[in-house]
Amino acid sequence: AQSVTQLGSHVSVSEGALVLLRCNYSSSVPPYLFWYVQYPNQGLQLLLKYTSAATLVKGINGFEAEFKKSETSFHLTKPSAHMSDAAEYFCASSMDSSYKLIFGSGTRLLVRP
Amino acid sequence: EAQVTQNPRYLITVTGKKLTVTCSQNMNHEYMSWYRQDPGLGLRQIYYSMNVEVTDKGDVPEGYKVSRKEKRNFPLILESPSPNQTSLYFCASRATTRDTEAFFGQGTRLTVV
Repeated sequence: AQSVTQLGSHVSVSEGALVLLRCNYSSSVPPYLFWYVQYPNQGLQLLLKYTSAATLVKGINGFEAEFKKSETSFHLTKPSAHMSDAAEYFCASSMDSSYKLIFGSGTRLLVRP
Repeated sequence: EAQVTQNPRYLITVTGKKLTVTCSQNMNHEYMSWYRQDPGLGLRQIYYSMNVEVTDKGDVPEGYKVSRKEKRNFPLILESPSPNQTSLYFCASRATTRDTEAFFGQGTRLTVV
């Protein structure tokens, strides 16, 4: 069965440091992949998506993610963390046969001053 | 503006008292779904609908009902709520093209006492 794994339920970085949030998918066929961000008391907002057009995907707010088929990974990065990046981040996948999104368990990002 | 609107945002109710959470989208999307979000579990799909009068169970459908009488609306019904249904609920809509993202409502935080 298709699944998404996010390593690290909590990640803490200093302001200005590199952000790296990990996501691995399990699927024999590369799925469509998404990163969503959830700010406190808000819904989920799309950060970026992979749809097979390019392996390096740029999103909003300076985030990007690289699809690596050999590693079945889609890690999210940002070169320099900002206080406003503190939120929960979800990786999700969607197979070609379904419109359902399969979510990882989420990673809460804390940014220290 | 593309929007998914859920109401209410917050709800406290007692065990066994029927309730409905409304969801409406203005994007003419065929696919709509309900998710619940619990700590450490990410988002899990409750029910989904491919179009008017077409609904099906997701991964955690027990204790919930849905209906899709109009394309824009997809209410979630709890006929006899129980404390284990205390959660954060999200409605989402998505176009039926594989590479498009889902749009989420602001969420409904439900507490059943």
